[in-house]
Amino acid sequence: QVQLQESGPGLVKPSETLSLTCSVSGGSISSYYWSWIRQPPGKGLEWIGYIYYSGSTNYNPSLKSRVTISVDTSKNQLSLKLRSVTAADTAVYYCARRGVVVVDATYYYYMDVWGKGTTVTVSS
Amino acid sequence: DIQMTQSPSSLSASVGDRVTITCRASQTTSSYLNWYQQKPGKAPKLLIYGASTLQSGVPSRFSGSGSGTDFTLTISSLQPEDFATYYCQQSYSIPWTFGQGTKVEIK
Repeated sequence: QVQLQESGPGLVKPSETLSLTCSVSGGSISSYYWSWIRQPPGKGLEWIGYIYYSGSTNYNPSLKSRVTISVDTSKNQLSLKLRSVTAADTAVYYCARRGVVVVDATYYYYMDVWGKGTTVTVSS
Repeated sequence: DIQMTQSPSSLSASVGDRVTITCRASQTTSSYLNWYQQKPGKAPKLLIYGASTLQSGVPSRFSGSGSGTDFTLTISSLQPEDFATYYCQQSYSIPWTFGQGTKVEIK
């Protein structure tokens, strides 16, 4: 079955760019949308955005000015870049697959496959 | 943004109890409502999508109901492995938003 694995630096300095990669195995990155979600320590979940394998994206407006999500189909990977980070960006970052089911011509979307997450700390 | 509010924020229950968690949206989300379970140090796991459809492999003691702005997750008979934090999430409009979570603890 499809598995996701996040990777990247665990420590990023304030004002720098956080860069993470999500590797997709056991299936193709094509024909799906892929999300990034984050969770600050002891807090709830925040959706960052998603990307289609073609490159089409949708971002959370609260982060849109600082975020870029990209996809590399040749490597079966997606990436997250978050610029000008502060301590508030310290979190566990997850990638997840956006699943879809059609019922009576209605499309229901959800996140059905998740990576284990990677912890990123923003500190000097 | 659609605000999702869960209640209670935490609850204590015993094995075998019936547990109900409520999720209220600040505006209609139709039936575009998902429920996730998260255990400490683990990624969330999809339980229910479309407000009431059980994800494959999820035990039938979990059920979801509701539409519009008010939704419910019910665990009919709490099992030891069900102690976790539960999140609702709307997929009606961008940005997708989550409730703050409900932590189910052992009594």
